[in-house]
Amino acid sequence: DGGITQSPKYLFRKEGQNVTLSCEQNLNHDAMYWYRQDPGQGLRLIYYSQIVNDFQKGDIAEGYSVSREKKESFPLTVTSAQKNPTAFYLCASSRLLVAFFGQGTRLTVV
Amino acid sequence: EDQVTQSPEALRLQEGESSSLNCSYTVSGLRGLFWYRQDPGKGPEFLFTLYSAGEEKEKERLKATLTKKESFLHITAPKPEDSATYLCAVRPLPYGQNFVFGPGTRLSVLP
Repeated sequence: DGGITQSPKYLFRKEGQNVTLSCEQNLNHDAMYWYRQDPGQGLRLIYYSQIVNDFQKGDIAEGYSVSREKKESFPLTVTSAQKNPTAFYLCASSRLLVAFFGQGTRLTVV
Repeated sequence: EDQVTQSPEALRLQEGESSSLNCSYTVSGLRGLFWYRQDPGKGPEFLFTLYSAGEEKEKERLKATLTKKESFLHITAPKPEDSATYLCAVRPLPYGQNFVFGPGTRLSVLP
């Protein structure tokens, strides 16, 4: 089936630890996005990539890093510099105007 | 600044009680307006794209409409399975601008 796969579904991070969230798509979409969702707030853009080997910071990029070495993959690393990382993280991809989303990763700091 | 607001924040309906959700937007130019449905703990599911004022789209009990300043998602005779958070997003002009999402409306349909 075509779609966007995020893993893991749940992730726990200790203080001072870096963690990486996976996002893979087989829709042949050029653009990929990472959003953060907190209760009562709209989706906020962390990073986006319009093409392989190129990516741009979104509105809340501090404490996060990404790579785009393959068209299908856009992993997000939450670094220890991100002071409040507990949130629901959503990956999306788009080819024309419409964005399609994965099922999300819930990250919790323990 | 491009902005999207949604109202109400939460809505509780009885099964069969029709209503509408509002999405108001402020953009310099509109490439498209999008409606998504999001179930708890899941990613948003695409519902509709609207491109220009006067356009309407329908899917089962849902109908989306668009004016120059707002969009409505009309829900006719809702069922409990329609309970979800409904997100509105816009993609502004010029080309290359990213999505701007509203905070969503949390809909509960009681049997």
